[in-house]
Amino acid sequence: EAGVAQSPRYKIIEKRQSVAFWCNPISGHATLYWYQQILGQGPKLLIQFQNNGVVDDSQLPKDRFSAERLKGVDSTLKIQPAKLEDSAVYLCAVQGSSGNTIYFGEGSWLTVV
Amino acid sequence: AQSVTQLGSHVSVSEGALVLLRCNYSSSVPPYLFWYVQYPNQGLQLLLKYTTGATLVKGINGFEAEFKKSETSFHLTKPSAHMSDAAEYFCAVSGRGLGGNTGKLIFGQGTTLQVKP
Repeated sequence: EAGVAQSPRYKIIEKRQSVAFWCNPISGHATLYWYQQILGQGPKLLIQFQNNGVVDDSQLPKDRFSAERLKGVDSTLKIQPAKLEDSAVYLCAVQGSSGNTIYFGEGSWLTVV
Repeated sequence: AQSVTQLGSHVSVSEGALVLLRCNYSSSVPPYLFWYVQYPNQGLQLLLKYTTGATLVKGINGFEAEFKKSETSFHLTKPSAHMSDAAEYFCAVSGRGLGGNTGKLIFGQGTTLQVKP
């Protein structure tokens, strides 16, 4: 099983402020994902990385969200400016070595007030 | 295109009773199917998965699921519920790419399992 650390775990900000989340998987996972999980819903894919490159960002609101993956390992997700509807859990995930399983981190809880 | 429908947003069972959580999927390609569990304030933990081969798959904590292609279903079961099973359960589907799993999971809305003493 993969280890995926996320920080911060909890964040409360005011609307129009900015926030950044970090994902630190153990090395060796070429494919990394960010998912958004709004309360009461299943997670939705925001962006998929293969090594340093973006494979799919079709669901990422690019006017306010940005993401990057440094050296094919760690990743950051930024929101600027935040809106009330961005309140959600942001989950980082990696694809396992077998290629068939996606492993999730504990998530970063964002509340926008 | 792929989609997942979980029938019943809330399921309540008594401790020791059978657990049945329903999942139906739609996929234009042979699917990979997953069940994840989420405990309060935690991330998603993989319960079990179907990729190829045997259609009855066994997972952790006594859960199992059966892939029924004719019914496009992947229902999750456990013979005897335990209080610790109370959580949110998500069914998910992904497609098959050139290298295997595309990794793009499509989730259902989730089912909250309540276990009564």
